[in-house]
Amino acid sequence: SQTIHQWPATLVQPVGSPLSLECTVEGTSNPNLYWYRQAAGRGLQLLFYSVGIGQISSEVPQNLSASRPQDRQFILSSKKLLLSDSGFYLCAIRDSYEQYFGPGTRLTVT
Amino acid sequence: GQNIDQPTEMTATEGAIVQINCTYQTSGFNGLFWYQQHAGEAPTFLSYNVLDGLEEKGRFSSFLSRSKGYSYLLLKELQMKDSASYLCAVDGGATNKLIFGTGTLLAVQP
Repeated sequence: SQTIHQWPATLVQPVGSPLSLECTVEGTSNPNLYWYRQAAGRGLQLLFYSVGIGQISSEVPQNLSASRPQDRQFILSSKKLLLSDSGFYLCAIRDSYEQYFGPGTRLTVT
Repeated sequence: GQNIDQPTEMTATEGAIVQINCTYQTSGFNGLFWYQQHAGEAPTFLSYNVLDGLEEKGRFSSFLSRSKGYSYLLLKELQMKDSASYLCAVDGGATNKLIFGTGTLLAVQP
């Protein structure tokens, strides 16, 4: 079975600072990978998804970007954080019909 | 457009049965998912329905009617630990992307 790792678990960053969140997956090959954000008290918003190395699709235009340098590595980045970027960031993997989430990174932008 | 509707909050009593409804309107359909999310944690997979009917898994059951764009999650013998948000999500079919509802916050009372 797959294992999804995300780090860091929590992060406090000032407005205007850069961001890099990492997600790595074990136990599968060539998975579909997803980045979601959940703002406080809100639903899950799909930010990016990837069907293979170097293939990134963006769902919502914003100051975030994603990259997939390796098959089982998915990175979420920003050059300058905004207050509105605060939230719970979740990496997910799709395995046949089931979709599993990683433990998440809680980001607070101050 | 794509739309998933669920009640915002529900309250039920320990030991009772509760049904959480979900209606959806999506351009495509490749399955409906239910997730459980405890406060501060990542969502965990509960069930997947792609054909009409009832799928039972222990105390949890999920029902789907594709013609009506309707699903429900049935929780039996409620326990205090079932207090959580329950997320309904639809696979729109194109690229295995899940569209999430905003979730139903279930409070189980003694």
